[in-house]
Amino acid sequence: EAQVTQNPRYLITVTGKKLTVTCSQNMNHEYMSWYRQDPGLGLRQIYYSMNVEVTDKGDVPEGYKVSRKEKRNFPLILESPSPNQTSLYFCASSSYRLAEMNTGELFFGEGSRLTVL
Amino acid sequence: GENVEQHPSTLSVQEGDSAVIKCTYSDSASNYFPWYKQELGKRPQLIIDIRSNVGEKKDQRIAVTLNKTAKHFSLHITETQPEDSAVYFCAASIGYSSASKIIFGSGTRLSIRP
Repeated sequence: EAQVTQNPRYLITVTGKKLTVTCSQNMNHEYMSWYRQDPGLGLRQIYYSMNVEVTDKGDVPEGYKVSRKEKRNFPLILESPSPNQTSLYFCASSSYRLAEMNTGELFFGEGSRLTVL
Repeated sequence: GENVEQHPSTLSVQEGDSAVIKCTYSDSASNYFPWYKQELGKRPQLIIDIRSNVGEKKDQRIAVTLNKTAKHFSLHITETQPEDSAVYFCAASIGYSSASKIIFGSGTRLSIRP
């Protein structure tokens, strides 16, 4: 089954304790990205990756790191989480080949709800 | 940078009536405009998209229109049904798909009254 898998789905942590949210896709997609969703602010892109070893900042990259060592994985790292990073996080993937087929769909994971105390 | 504004933030319509959600964007280089639907507690899913070389696209009860000159695009849902209740997000991308830097609107919560 084609899917984007995020872990953990729920996490409560404390300020300053490093954490990693993993994201894995099994669709051989070149493109992967991270978003945070906050009430009234919609989805805001944190980082995106066009392919292995290629990452770029989105709209709200401060306080986050990413890496893309393998095509299927795109972990989101919070080196020193703060309460303002409490949010619902979504990972998504897509393929340039979809654009050639005249679609541009982002496939989202189920989301990871993070609370930083 | 690109900015996408979406209105209204909440919308309530009678079942069977039409619903319209509007978005404006700032970057004239934007080429791709998708719409995502997010049901309560679920992940966003693409419902329709349009590229800058097309002015209108329709898929059953859903249609999207694009006015590149005015830099705005709209989602139209006709004959609304209870399952249309959800949050809808518009977005704009400079690329020809979502596989790019993409900016989302703040969302519209659509409620369908029985």
